[in-house]
Amino acid sequence: VQLLESGGGLVQPGGSLRLSCAASGFTFSSYAMSWVRQAPGKGLEWVSSISVSAKTYYADSVKGRFTISRDNSKNTLYLHMNSLRAEDTAVYYCAKAEQLERRQGGYFDYWGQGTLATVSS
Amino acid sequence: QSVLTQPPSVSAAPGQKVTISCSGSSSNIGKNYVSWYQQFPGTAPKLLIYDNNKRPSGIPDRFSGSKSGTSATLGITGLQTGDEADYYCVAWDSSLSAVFGGGTKLTVL
Repeated sequence: VQLLESGGGLVQPGGSLRLSCAASGFTFSSYAMSWVRQAPGKGLEWVSSISVSAKTYYADSVKGRFTISRDNSKNTLYLHMNSLRAEDTAVYYCAKAEQLERRQGGYFDYWGQGTLATVSS
Repeated sequence: QSVLTQPPSVSAAPGQKVTISCSGSSSNIGKNYVSWYQQFPGTAPKLLIYDNNKRPSGIPDRFSGSKSGTSATLGITGLQTGDEADYYCVAWDSSLSAVFGGGTKLTVL
């Protein structure tokens, strides 16, 4: 399993950014996927998840500003980030999510190396 | 402030055992599975324990997990200097969001 994030960079407050995560080594269309972020020097924070059927879930902190999507033909996960704020500055990790919609919840079994998004003027 | 509460740091000597606690509520740990992750500085997290107490292939049995009520515990026996890392617990909440603990820094003295 390999997950390779890209698309991070420096953006001004209020701006937009699109992150991508190229997946390989497993049948991408058969698994849920997630984004988890980590602000500099801080802990991990779940951002969003998308199921096999493209049902989406968001943290309250990003709801209405971020959109998760997937392109199974390209084995790629996306995170469209709009109205960015300084507090969105973080390393964004793509993670494969097992058992996402199970009643007791899922877990993240594989992670990419992350891409840094910096929101600053 | 994280939804799940972990001690900021723990420490123990090489060869000893350490436990890391993770406290939640009836809406997350109380009704859902807990998973644990290990993260070395500058690297991606790695799954250590899932479904409260199961280890993925390749994770040594020195690592164990348990859950009771609204709390979970990660145990590490036979501590090695290579175990020095940050450890995070995660559970899903009834609001269909994943909630993380604030992380615990393990120091092997």
